[in-house]
Amino acid sequence: QQQVKQSPQSLIVQKGGISIINCAYENTAFDYFPWYQQFPGKGPALLIAIRPDVSEKKEGRFTISFNKSAKQFSLHIMDSQPGDSATYFCAATPISGYSTLTFGKGTMLLVSP
Amino acid sequence: DTGVSQDPRHKITKRGQNVTFRCDPISEHNRLYWYRQTLGQGPEFLTYFQNEAQLEKSRLLSDRFSAERPKGSFSTLEIQRTEQGDSAMYLCASSPDNGGPQHFGDGTRLSIL
Repeated sequence: QQQVKQSPQSLIVQKGGISIINCAYENTAFDYFPWYQQFPGKGPALLIAIRPDVSEKKEGRFTISFNKSAKQFSLHIMDSQPGDSATYFCAATPISGYSTLTFGKGTMLLVSP
Repeated sequence: DTGVSQDPRHKITKRGQNVTFRCDPISEHNRLYWYRQTLGQGPEFLTYFQNEAQLEKSRLLSDRFSAERPKGSFSTLEIQRTEQGDSAMYLCASSPDNGGPQHFGDGTRLSIL
């Protein structure tokens, strides 16, 4: 049973465009939602994270939008750059334990020059 | 470099052999996690330590897998009698005790011949 569903599987965006990746979760105990960026041959690197007491969080070109009632959250990358080409994973965990992360299957983003 | 360190980065072995991986977490982090990542998938949780105590194990962690963190610092993950299906990237992450994001190492890629 996949507890965090991520879409799309792959995405091609032109330089300067907006990249949007969506995730949906099922477990209502999830209370912390990080996004990770992974380059080939590297481990996932934390990009940005949100807790459900806010509906949006912005850090530079990266924004998370969160809809608690729909149990959905999304990552928006504004002014996408070729250097953003990577695989992006959404994840979720119960904040009380900060224990195990449940990851989505990932989105491979390609930003064309 | 004060990030999570994993060794070796790559391991090629024959089916049936035993392998051991090492993870050195960020020095002030008491929590340490092991994940497994196969091609095209997000990381999947294997096990989790708080200091030297192994607090949680996934159903993915069969009897052939064992993890230790003897002094609450570095950790080892051993796979006995390796099988073809064990081929994957094994990721280690660490986080502080007061609840903070997990930071990942660059993983050990295991290939079973």
